[in-house]
Amino acid sequence: GESVGLHLPTLSVQEGDNSIINCAYSNSASDYFIWYKQESGKGPQFIIDIRSNMDKRQGQRVTVLLNKTVKHLSLQIAATQPGDSAVYFCAENGAGANNLFFGTGTRLTVIP
Amino acid sequence: SQTIHQWPATLVQPVGSPLSLECTVEGTSNPNLYWYRQAAGRGLQLLFYSVGIGQISSEVPQNLSASRPQDRQFILSSKKLLLSDSGFYLCAWSWGHEQFFGPGTRLTVL
Repeated sequence: GESVGLHLPTLSVQEGDNSIINCAYSNSASDYFIWYKQESGKGPQFIIDIRSNMDKRQGQRVTVLLNKTVKHLSLQIAATQPGDSAVYFCAENGAGANNLFFGTGTRLTVIP
Repeated sequence: SQTIHQWPATLVQPVGSPLSLECTVEGTSNPNLYWYRQAAGRGLQLLFYSVGIGQISSEVPQNLSASRPQDRQFILSSKKLLLSDSGFYLCAWSWGHEQFFGPGTRLTVL
């Protein structure tokens, strides 16, 4: 749902460690989910997406897990690098609509 | 390939002045278009979306308006800016679910 009034939660990880960013979504009818990465002063960039008929999808160093039972989405980043430092947003599409509803966002800081 | 442009990149305007932000998309036709606002350290707030020329849906009542005079052009306007209009304005386009964002316009209202 809407997150515009909330301060971003933060996550700090050591370079080389794995990162896990969590997201709770609100609409059980959502059938498409997506993660974006937003670097400071730039527009969000697509990372990975997943449809509701899957519970796991892997990309390059990233994995998205979907648990429809508890309406939970997570993004795992393997071997986190300083370039991964950014704000990460999850989004759901609601009841099959083309509009996306964005989560709060999480600020990931990678410590060298 | 598709590209999306926004201008200006940054803008400083006095309270009460008008606003016009422009977004254009290349390499695609009949996209859905979106305007978002992002306050510092906050999430994305959907302001307007459009599924075709002249078709605008407003998500949040405010002193902003949007227009789509051409298929790949989306304009965000205001007649009189408020201090609370300051923020990072993002335009996006989509065909299906995935949205592709522009570089954004940082607006500061003084």
